[in-house]
Amino acid sequence: DQQVKQNSPSLSVQEGRISILNCDYTNSMFDYFLWYKKYPAEGPTFLISISSIKDKNEDGRFTVFLNKSAKHLSLHIVPSQPGDSAVYFCAAFDGSSNTGKLIFGQGTTLQVKP
Amino acid sequence: DAGVIQSPRHEVTEMGQEVTLRCKPISGHNSLFWYRQTMMRGLELLIYFNNNVPIDDSGMPEDRFSAKMPNASFSTLKIQPSEPRDSAVYFCASSTDRNQPQHFGDGTRLSIL
Repeated sequence: DQQVKQNSPSLSVQEGRISILNCDYTNSMFDYFLWYKKYPAEGPTFLISISSIKDKNEDGRFTVFLNKSAKHLSLHIVPSQPGDSAVYFCAAFDGSSNTGKLIFGQGTTLQVKP
Repeated sequence: DAGVIQSPRHEVTEMGQEVTLRCKPISGHNSLFWYRQTMMRGLELLIYFNNNVPIDDSGMPEDRFSAKMPNASFSTLKIQPSEPRDSAVYFCASSTDRNQPQHFGDGTRLSIL
């Protein structure tokens, strides 16, 4: 039972254009969402997060949008740069539980072409 | 600032051997997490410590797996005896609190022959 899904295993965009990575979740108790970026042979690096009380959070070139009714979130990268090429993981957290469990999606590999 | 430090980076050993993975969390972080990443199951939480106390070990696959956190700056994940299906990348992460972003180490790539 996959509670967090990233249905696109890969995405390729041209440098300077917008990258949109998508994530769907099934558990309505999730109230905090995060995006991580991962380069080969390194650990995931925290990128940006959003609380369920918001529908948008922006940090430089990165913006995360949350649509609670659709149980969907997306990460927008504008403009995309070759250094953004990495695997992007969406993760969700249930703040009402007493665990620290982050549920991760399977990841989307982004390739930004020069 | 030093990040989460894991050792070893790579471990290759034969089936049946004991394997010990080590983690030093970021100083001041009181939550520590062990994850396993495989192609089939992605990133899965194995165990979560808060203030050195195990809070959630529901992700630990079997009794062959054990984790300890003797103090705030050190944790181990032990597999005894190891099996080929334990081959994976094991990540340690830490955060200031359970509902704050987790910071990951670079992982230990474990291969059990």
